[in-house]
Amino acid sequence: ETGVTQTPRHLVMGMTNKKSLKCEQHLGHNAMYWYKQSAKKPLELMFVYNFKEQTENNSVPSRFSPECPNSSHLFLHLHTLQPEDSALYLCASSLSQEGPSEAFFGQGTRLTVV
Amino acid sequence: GQNIDQPTEMTATEGAIVQINCTYQTSGFNGLFWYQQHAGEAPTFLSYNVLDGLEEKGRFSSFLSRSKGYSYLLLKELQMKDSASYLCAVRDSNYQLIWGAGTKLIIKP
Repeated sequence: ETGVTQTPRHLVMGMTNKKSLKCEQHLGHNAMYWYKQSAKKPLELMFVYNFKEQTENNSVPSRFSPECPNSSHLFLHLHTLQPEDSALYLCASSLSQEGPSEAFFGQGTRLTVV
Repeated sequence: GQNIDQPTEMTATEGAIVQINCTYQTSGFNGLFWYQQHAGEAPTFLSYNVLDGLEEKGRFSSFLSRSKGYSYLLLKELQMKDSASYLCAVRDSNYQLIWGAGTKLIIKP
């Protein structure tokens, strides 16, 4: 248990569906992240929120839409996804984006797009 | 471009020592992290290096040479539970974490 909780753990969705991934942390952290992890590839940073403000959007397709209503919660809204979007989606948080502040990861959502 | 290289897979024997290398080319440097990730689980933090030298933490040690763009993670007295993927990540000048693809470590009895 890392203090970062993600739901659901597994999700299967059709290409026309709309779904949302949820992430919650009560560690008092100020930065929250969405990552995509595909087999044998480096973690891909998708979005960063620092003090609830989005600071990074690494050329992510618009079919992925993040939302950060407060410093403890982060959502990833999904719509009209493609099969190549199937992956493990990890949420993480850190006290800050600088220094030795390590990231704490959630267990991830295993997403399958059919 | 920015790049982190680490071996894809390594095998070692229970009770032995293994060294996992990581080389990096990034725009700036603000620290290097090692994480452990068991299959189906979240990555968990192992170590952080920002100055050259060796950081020791129990059975695990991490070394950094900034001039060579090189780090290694040293695992001693290997146990079966150490079978996992080990991820190297560098924080660049924009404070973004750049990740390697991970090294899958297989421990044999």
